[in-house]
Amino acid sequence: KQEVTQIPAALSVPEGENLVLNCSFTDSAIYNLQWFRQDPGKGLTSLLLIQSSQREQTSGRLNASLDKSSGRSTLYIAASQPGDSATYLCAVRKLISGGYNKLIFGAGTRLAVHP
Amino acid sequence: DVKVTQSSRYLVKRTGEKVFLECVQDMDHENMFWYRQDPGLGLRLIYFSYDVKMKEKGDIPEGYSVSREKKERFSLILESASTNQTSMYLCASSLPGTDGYTFGSGTRLTVV
Repeated sequence: KQEVTQIPAALSVPEGENLVLNCSFTDSAIYNLQWFRQDPGKGLTSLLLIQSSQREQTSGRLNASLDKSSGRSTLYIAASQPGDSATYLCAVRKLISGGYNKLIFGAGTRLAVHP
Repeated sequence: DVKVTQSSRYLVKRTGEKVFLECVQDMDHENMFWYRQDPGLGLRLIYFSYDVKMKEKGDIPEGYSVSREKKERFSLILESASTNQTSMYLCASSLPGTDGYTFGSGTRLTVV
């Protein structure tokens, strides 16, 4: 059974720091990995999507890497800002029974960036 | 900008009521999903659909049903709402294969 683990569960940092959020998954047979951001009481916003054949993706101050063989992904946030405060979720897309696939989520990392 | 729209941000319903949660996407996506999110339990898949009039049970389908009469609309139905169905409900859609998921803004349902 695929399990997705995110470390740390919570993080509080001063503004300007560079951050690394970690995600690990137990089964390397995935289609892709997606990082999301969720603000309190809101839906999920997609940040980065990494296909299984890719090693990393970048968007602005965000960079996500994927090492499928070791079952790990990291989300790097450069020069953090208070507006980055949110919960960050990673999810892997995996084949399930019946030929379907689904997204399996980690529990998230709750990030607080203080001025 | 492509979107997944959930018709209600907040709902308050009484125990025993029949509740409809609506989700509409404008991206011509084949796949649509309903998740619920609870503190400490994360996101759990309730039902999904890979085509019109098609549905498959997810991890926690008990107490729920779904309807997909048109490609763009996927409805979640609580036949008889109970207090343990108080939760945040999230709808998502995707293309088949290796595309990413797009989520709606969520519906916070409270059953009293």
